[in-house]
Amino acid sequence: DVKVTQSSRYLVKRTGEKVFLECVQDMDHENMFWYRQDPGLGLRLIYFSYDVKMKEKGDIPEGYSVSREKKERFSLILESASTNQTSMYLCASSSPKTGEETQYFGPGTRLLVL
Amino acid sequence: GESVGLHLPTLSVQEGDNSIINCAYSNSASDYFIWYKQESGKGPQFIIDIRSNMDKRQGQRVTVLLNKTVKHLSLQIAATQPGDSAVYFCAESIGDDKIIFGKGTRLHILP
Repeated sequence: DVKVTQSSRYLVKRTGEKVFLECVQDMDHENMFWYRQDPGLGLRLIYFSYDVKMKEKGDIPEGYSVSREKKERFSLILESASTNQTSMYLCASSSPKTGEETQYFGPGTRLLVL
Repeated sequence: GESVGLHLPTLSVQEGDNSIINCAYSNSASDYFIWYKQESGKGPQFIIDIRSNMDKRQGQRVTVLLNKTVKHLSLQIAATQPGDSAVYFCAESIGDDKIIFGKGTRLHILP
């Protein structure tokens, strides 16, 4: 059974704090993704990674960075949290192999920035 | 704007009836389509997928239909149950490992 886990289900942080969101997958997938989900805006891609040490900007990378030191782990970093980063953050992983490219999601982290 | 969209933001269906959720896409180069279900407070869950060389694919109680001529995708859920209440997203891919998601349709089951 495929599994993507995220370190926290709920987080409350203050403006200006550095925030780390961790994601781990156990499917040996090469691709990993970070999205944020907001009402009326759907899922928006922040960053993704096709391999260890590699990262690519998504549609809304501003204010975020990522780290992929190990294949199974993809971290999203908010260098200085702001209130407009209050959102649901979703991690996903997939394989580049044809027939296996479906993205599998974690349970999400609901972040509140005060 | 997004190239994937949904015709109805909310769909109410009587328990036991069949549900049909529709989706329009605009990118002719899309060759892979996915339906996800997202329950409240959870991440999206894969339901079923279909490739552009197919018109129809069936799973357990679900069927996805693809009409490439009019760029239309639909998800049919047979004998809708209370546990089917969720937001359903269609998504498309052009084979570059990225997926474009629609904004979702909320399925509400009437008792």
